[in-house]
Amino acid sequence: EAQVTQNPRYLITVTGKKLTVTCSQNMNHEYMSWYRQDPGLGLRQIYYSMNVEVTDKGDVPEGYKVSRKEKRNFPLILESPSPNQTSLYFCASSLNWERSNSPLHFGNGTRLTVT
Amino acid sequence: AQSVTQLGSHVSVSEGALVLLRCNYSSSVPPYLFWYVQYPNQGLQLLLKYTSAATLVKGINGFEAEFKKSETSFHLTKPSAHMSDAAEYFCAVRLNSGGSNYKLTFGKGTLLTVNP
Repeated sequence: EAQVTQNPRYLITVTGKKLTVTCSQNMNHEYMSWYRQDPGLGLRQIYYSMNVEVTDKGDVPEGYKVSRKEKRNFPLILESPSPNQTSLYFCASSLNWERSNSPLHFGNGTRLTVT
Repeated sequence: AQSVTQLGSHVSVSEGALVLLRCNYSSSVPPYLFWYVQYPNQGLQLLLKYTSAATLVKGINGFEAEFKKSETSFHLTKPSAHMSDAAEYFCAVRLNSGGSNYKLTFGKGTLLTVNP
């Protein structure tokens, strides 16, 4: 089944403790992206990757890192999480983002709480 | 700059009634427009997309949307609501931002409640 898989689904951690949220897609998609969803703010893009070893900042990149060493994986790294990073995170991928009608496929989300 | 405005953060309808979720965009060039739906505890999934081929776009689950350039709108409709339509709906606009991102900007979402 074609899908975007995020792990974990739920995560509670403490301020300053490094964590990684994994994202994997099995559709051979070139483009991958991370979003955070907050009440009243909709979805905001954190980072994106056009292909392997090509990443760039989105609208809210502060406090996050990403890497794209393989086509299928795009982990989100929080080196020193803070309470304002408590949010619902989504990974998404697309076959070829430069094609205008290529939609995003989303994972089921990771709900992160930082205390 | 592009932006998306969804009018009404919460819409409530009765089962069988018309569903109308409003979306207006601002863009200096013709945009590509999408509607996504998010069911509880799930990610977003594509309902439909407009890419200039036809102004009336049909999507999944009986939804459709009409692109009106003069009104800069892309409202989502369904003739008869079903209980299973209860979800949050997001309008999104995309255009070439000038870089390689082809930025996709989401509205803040509209929560649809369907009453029996």
